[in-house]
Amino acid sequence: AQSVAQPEDQVNVAEGNPLTVKCTYSVSGNPYLFWYVQYPNRGLQFLLKYITGDNLVKGSYGFEAEFNKSQTSFHLKKPSALVSDSALYFCAVRLDTGRRALTFGSGTRLQVQP
Amino acid sequence: DTGVSQDPRHKITKRGQNVTFRCDPISEHNRLYWYRQTLGQGPEFLTYFQNEAQLEKSRLLSDRFSAERPKGSFSTLEIQRTEQGDSAMYLCASSSARWGQETQYFGPGTRLLVL
Repeated sequence: AQSVAQPEDQVNVAEGNPLTVKCTYSVSGNPYLFWYVQYPNRGLQFLLKYITGDNLVKGSYGFEAEFNKSQTSFHLKKPSALVSDSALYFCAVRLDTGRRALTFGSGTRLQVQP
Repeated sequence: DTGVSQDPRHKITKRGQNVTFRCDPISEHNRLYWYRQTLGQGPEFLTYFQNEAQLEKSRLLSDRFSAERPKGSFSTLEIQRTEQGDSAMYLCASSSARWGQETQYFGPGTRLLVL
Protein backbone atom coordinates (compact mmCIF):
# COMPACT_ATOMS: atom_id res chain seq x y z
CA ALA A 1 0.00 0.00 0.00
CA GLN A 2 1.11 3.55 -0.59
CA SER A 3 0.46 6.54 1.64
CA VAL A 4 1.29 10.22 1.99
CA ALA A 5 1.52 12.27 5.16
CA GLN A 6 1.33 16.04 5.34
CA PRO A 7 2.00 16.63 9.02
CA GLU A 8 0.91 20.28 9.12
CA ASP A 9 -2.72 21.26 8.60
CA GLN A 10 -1.68 24.89 8.21
CA VAL A 11 1.51 26.82 7.58
CA ASN A 12 1.72 30.55 8.25
CA VAL A 13 4.47 32.66 6.75
CA ALA A 14 5.08 36.36 6.19
CA GLU A 15 5.26 37.69 2.65
CA GLY A 16 8.85 37.69 1.41
CA ASN A 17 9.97 34.94 3.77
CA PRO A 18 10.86 31.44 2.59
CA LEU A 19 8.19 28.77 2.89
CA THR A 20 8.28 25.01 3.32
CA VAL A 21 5.34 22.62 3.12
CA LYS A 22 6.23 19.14 4.32
CA CYS A 23 5.41 15.78 2.76
CA THR A 24 6.53 12.26 3.59
CA TYR A 25 5.53 9.15 1.69
CA SER A 26 5.47 5.38 1.94
CA VAL A 27 5.57 3.08 -1.08
CA SER A 28 6.95 -0.36 -1.80
CA GLY A 29 9.10 0.58 -4.75
CA ASN A 30 10.19 3.65 -6.65
CA PRO A 31 7.87 6.61 -6.21
CA TYR A 32 6.53 9.19 -8.57
CA LEU A 33 5.82 12.28 -6.47
CA PHE A 34 3.65 15.30 -7.25
CA TRP A 35 2.59 18.61 -5.75
CA TYR A 36 -0.73 20.24 -6.61
CA VAL A 37 -2.32 23.49 -5.44
CA GLN A 38 -6.04 24.11 -4.99
CA TYR A 39 -7.71 27.49 -4.80
CA PRO A 40 -11.23 27.83 -3.31
CA ASN A 41 -13.93 26.02 -5.29
CA ARG A 42 -11.45 25.06 -7.97
CA GLY A 43 -9.84 21.88 -9.21
CA LEU A 44 -6.21 20.98 -8.60
CA GLN A 45 -3.43 22.74 -10.47
CA PHE A 46 -0.19 20.87 -11.12
CA LEU A 47 2.94 22.48 -9.63
CA LEU A 48 5.77 20.00 -10.07
CA LYS A 49 6.76 16.33 -10.09
CA TYR A 50 9.63 13.98 -9.39
CA ILE A 51 9.91 11.00 -11.72
CA THR A 52 13.63 10.33 -11.88
CA GLY A 53 16.90 12.21 -12.13
CA ASP A 54 17.87 15.27 -10.13
CA ASN A 55 16.56 15.27 -6.60
CA LEU A 56 15.80 19.00 -6.77
CA VAL A 57 12.80 19.66 -8.97
CA LYS A 58 11.73 23.11 -10.11
CA GLY A 59 8.13 23.86 -10.97
CA SER A 60 5.59 26.57 -11.63
CA TYR A 61 5.39 29.95 -9.89
CA GLY A 62 8.88 29.68 -8.39
CA PHE A 63 8.18 26.55 -6.37
CA GLU A 64 10.66 23.73 -5.98
CA ALA A 65 10.82 20.43 -4.12
CA GLU A 66 13.58 18.13 -3.00
CA PHE A 67 13.27 14.36 -3.22
CA ASN A 68 15.02 12.70 -0.28
CA LYS A 69 14.95 8.94 -0.62
CA SER A 70 16.55 8.15 2.75
CA GLN A 71 14.02 10.30 4.61
CA THR A 72 11.16 9.41 2.22
CA SER A 73 10.32 13.08 1.95
CA PHE A 74 9.36 15.50 -0.81
CA HIS A 75 9.05 18.93 0.81
CA LEU A 76 7.75 21.88 -1.22
CA LYS A 77 9.72 25.11 -0.96
CA LYS A 78 9.76 28.65 -2.24
CA PRO A 79 12.47 31.22 -1.46
CA SER A 80 10.11 34.19 -1.13
CA ALA A 81 6.40 33.78 -0.41
CA LEU A 82 3.69 35.91 -2.02
CA VAL A 83 0.24 36.66 -0.60
CA SER A 84 -1.16 35.08 -3.77
CA ASP A 85 0.48 31.76 -2.79
CA SER A 86 -2.16 31.37 -0.07
CA ALA A 87 -4.03 28.19 -0.98
CA LEU A 88 -4.38 24.49 -0.19
CA TYR A 89 -1.42 22.32 -1.19
CA PHE A 90 -1.54 18.58 -1.80
CA CYS A 91 1.27 16.08 -2.09
CA ALA A 92 0.58 12.88 -4.04
CA VAL A 93 2.41 9.63 -4.79
CA ARG A 94 2.17 6.60 -7.01
CA LEU A 95 4.51 3.77 -7.89
CA ASP A 96 6.55 3.88 -11.08
CA THR A 97 4.88 0.63 -12.22
CA GLY A 98 1.46 -0.92 -11.95
CA ARG A 99 -1.42 1.08 -10.58
CA ARG A 100 -1.82 4.63 -11.90
CA ALA A 101 -4.03 5.93 -9.12
CA LEU A 102 -2.55 8.81 -7.17
CA THR A 103 -2.68 8.70 -3.39
CA PHE A 104 -3.03 12.18 -1.92
CA GLY A 105 -2.18 13.61 1.44
CA SER A 106 -4.79 15.43 3.47
CA GLY A 107 -3.52 18.83 2.38
CA THR A 108 -1.77 21.78 4.00
CA ARG A 109 -3.31 25.23 4.02
CA LEU A 110 -0.69 27.89 3.35
CA GLN A 111 -1.47 31.35 4.67
CA VAL A 112 0.88 34.14 3.59
CA GLN A 113 0.46 37.31 5.60
CA PRO A 114 1.19 40.71 4.07
CA ASP B 1 -9.51 26.41 -23.60
CA THR B 2 -7.77 23.06 -24.00
CA GLY B 3 -7.92 21.92 -20.38
CA VAL B 4 -10.07 19.26 -18.79
CA SER B 5 -13.71 20.32 -18.65
CA GLN B 6 -16.50 18.99 -16.46
CA ASP B 7 -20.23 19.45 -16.58
CA PRO B 8 -22.18 20.43 -14.59
CA ARG B 9 -20.10 22.46 -12.16
CA HIS B 10 -22.73 22.16 -9.45
CA LYS B 11 -25.54 19.68 -8.85
CA ILE B 12 -28.14 19.62 -6.11
CA THR B 13 -30.31 16.55 -5.91
CA LYS B 14 -32.61 14.78 -3.52
CA ARG B 15 -31.67 11.53 -1.87
CA GLY B 16 -32.60 8.57 -4.01
CA GLN B 17 -32.28 10.35 -7.34
CA ASN B 18 -29.77 9.42 -10.04
CA VAL B 19 -27.15 11.87 -11.26
CA THR B 20 -24.70 11.82 -14.15
CA PHE B 21 -21.56 13.86 -14.59
CA ARG B 22 -19.54 14.38 -17.74
CA CYS B 23 -15.81 14.86 -18.22
CA ASP B 24 -14.02 15.93 -21.40
CA PRO B 25 -10.27 15.30 -21.17
CA ILE B 26 -7.46 17.21 -22.79
CA SER B 27 -7.47 16.23 -26.45
CA GLU B 28 -5.12 13.35 -27.28
CA HIS B 29 -4.93 12.28 -23.63
CA ASN B 30 -5.89 8.63 -23.65
CA ARG B 31 -5.93 8.17 -19.87
CA LEU B 32 -8.82 9.47 -17.79
CA TYR B 33 -9.35 9.34 -14.03
CA TRP B 34 -12.16 10.06 -11.59
CA TYR B 35 -11.54 11.14 -8.00
CA ARG B 36 -13.80 12.20 -5.15
CA GLN B 37 -12.90 14.92 -2.66
CA THR B 38 -14.80 15.56 0.54
CA LEU B 39 -14.43 18.70 2.61
CA GLY B 40 -11.09 18.96 4.34
CA GLN B 41 -9.64 15.89 2.65
CA GLY B 42 -7.40 15.12 -0.28
CA PRO B 43 -8.87 13.58 -3.43
CA GLU B 44 -9.56 9.84 -3.34
CA PHE B 45 -9.20 7.72 -6.45
CA LEU B 46 -12.35 6.15 -7.89
CA THR B 47 -11.52 4.73 -11.31
CA TYR B 48 -9.21 4.95 -14.33
CA PHE B 49 -9.61 4.42 -18.07
CA GLN B 50 -7.06 3.87 -20.76
CA ASN B 51 -8.87 4.61 -24.00
CA GLU B 52 -12.27 2.96 -23.51
CA ALA B 53 -11.04 0.24 -21.14
CA GLN B 54 -11.69 0.65 -17.43
CA LEU B 55 -8.46 -0.67 -15.93
CA GLU B 56 -8.67 0.24 -12.24
CA LYS B 57 -11.55 0.58 -9.82
CA SER B 58 -11.35 1.59 -6.20
CA ARG B 59 -13.25 -0.15 -3.44
CA LEU B 60 -14.88 3.26 -2.94
CA LEU B 61 -16.71 2.68 -6.21
CA SER B 62 -19.77 0.90 -4.88
CA ASP B 63 -22.26 -0.81 -7.15
CA ARG B 64 -24.31 2.40 -7.18
CA PHE B 65 -21.50 4.07 -9.11
CA SER B 66 -20.77 3.39 -12.76
CA ALA B 67 -18.34 5.06 -15.12
CA GLU B 68 -18.06 4.78 -18.87
CA ARG B 69 -15.84 6.03 -21.63
CA PRO B 70 -17.52 4.53 -24.67
CA LYS B 71 -15.42 6.01 -27.47
CA GLY B 72 -12.23 6.66 -25.57
CA SER B 73 -12.87 10.38 -25.44
CA PHE B 74 -15.32 11.86 -22.92
CA SER B 75 -16.40 9.96 -19.83
CA THR B 76 -19.52 9.87 -17.68
CA LEU B 77 -19.87 9.02 -14.00
CA GLU B 78 -23.33 8.00 -12.85
CA ILE B 79 -24.46 7.66 -9.26
CA GLN B 80 -27.71 5.78 -8.75
CA ARG B 81 -29.96 6.14 -5.70
CA THR B 82 -27.87 8.95 -4.27
CA GLU B 83 -27.23 9.13 -0.54
CA GLN B 84 -26.27 12.11 1.59
CA GLY B 85 -22.81 10.59 1.98
CA ASP B 86 -22.27 11.01 -1.75
CA SER B 87 -22.07 14.77 -1.30
CA ALA B 88 -18.58 15.71 -2.45
CA MET B 89 -16.55 17.29 -5.23
CA TYR B 90 -16.07 14.88 -8.13
CA LEU B 91 -12.85 15.54 -9.98
CA CYS B 92 -11.81 14.30 -13.38
CA ALA B 93 -8.23 14.20 -14.62
CA SER B 94 -6.47 13.13 -17.78
CA SER B 95 -2.94 12.23 -18.80
CA SER B 96 -0.94 11.04 -21.78
CA ALA B 97 0.34 7.50 -22.07
CA ARG B 98 3.71 8.63 -23.38
CA TRP B 99 6.58 7.71 -21.06
CA GLY B 100 7.55 10.56 -18.79
CA GLN B 101 4.22 12.30 -19.30
CA GLU B 102 2.85 11.05 -16.02
CA THR B 103 1.17 14.24 -14.92
CA GLN B 104 -2.55 14.07 -14.30
CA TYR B 105 -4.26 17.35 -15.17
CA PHE B 106 -7.45 18.04 -13.30
CA GLY B 107 -10.69 19.66 -14.29
CA PRO B 108 -12.61 22.20 -12.17
CA GLY B 109 -14.76 19.50 -10.60
CA THR B 110 -18.48 18.91 -10.13
CA ARG B 111 -19.76 19.72 -6.66
CA LEU B 112 -22.63 17.43 -5.67
CA LEU B 113 -24.99 18.15 -2.80
CA VAL B 114 -27.48 15.46 -1.86
CA LEU B 115 -30.36 16.72 0.27
